[in-house]
Amino acid sequence: AQKVTQAQTEISVVEKEDVTLDCVYETRDTTYYLFWYKQPPSGELVFLIRRNSFDEQNEISGRYSWNFQKSTSSFNFTITASQVVDSAVYFCALSLGGATNKLIFGTGTLLAVQP
Amino acid sequence: EAQVTQNPRYLITVTGKKLTVTCSQNMNHEYMSWYRQDPGLGLRQIYYSMNVEATDKGDVPEGYKVSRKEKRNFPLILESPSPNQTSLYFCASSFLRRNEPYEQYFGPGTRLTVT
Repeated sequence: AQKVTQAQTEISVVEKEDVTLDCVYETRDTTYYLFWYKQPPSGELVFLIRRNSFDEQNEISGRYSWNFQKSTSSFNFTITASQVVDSAVYFCALSLGGATNKLIFGTGTLLAVQP
Repeated sequence: EAQVTQNPRYLITVTGKKLTVTCSQNMNHEYMSWYRQDPGLGLRQIYYSMNVEATDKGDVPEGYKVSRKEKRNFPLILESPSPNQTSLYFCASSFLRRNEPYEQYFGPGTRLTVT
């Protein structure tokens, strides 16, 4: 069975601190896809990144970076120099693709960035 | 503007009163899906559709129905709502190519309360 674990329920940081959100996944499939979504207080879900299992290169997009490590089944998300606007719930998700195209979500991490 | 719309955004109803939550996308996506979000559980898939007249159950389909008569629309029907269906509901859509999951675009959410 597939599973995504986000062990950090809530994280609180002060603006300009760096913060890492952890994501550990479980699957026996060799082909899979990992996602991060952001849910700001307004409630919508915003896509941040998709990574397939064959691409272990880390990715950086502005203040955001992602560290994919198959050896530890982790896909961690780091925000550098956090800002108040980063306050949101962040979800990590796993998909095997195929017919269902289902996203298996973790339980989310609530990030609160204090000014 | 590319978007997924849902209506209504908020709904309070009573047990047993049939309701429909509409979902529409303007991106010509083949794939559409419904998720529910509950505290501590993340998002879970209710139903999905790979194309017109092709729907199937997700992880939590009990008490729900869907239909896909047109490519752009994917309504969620609760024939006899019960309090345990009180939740935040999201519709999502994406392209589906070669069984590879693309970014799913989410609607703004529908907060349903069943008393």
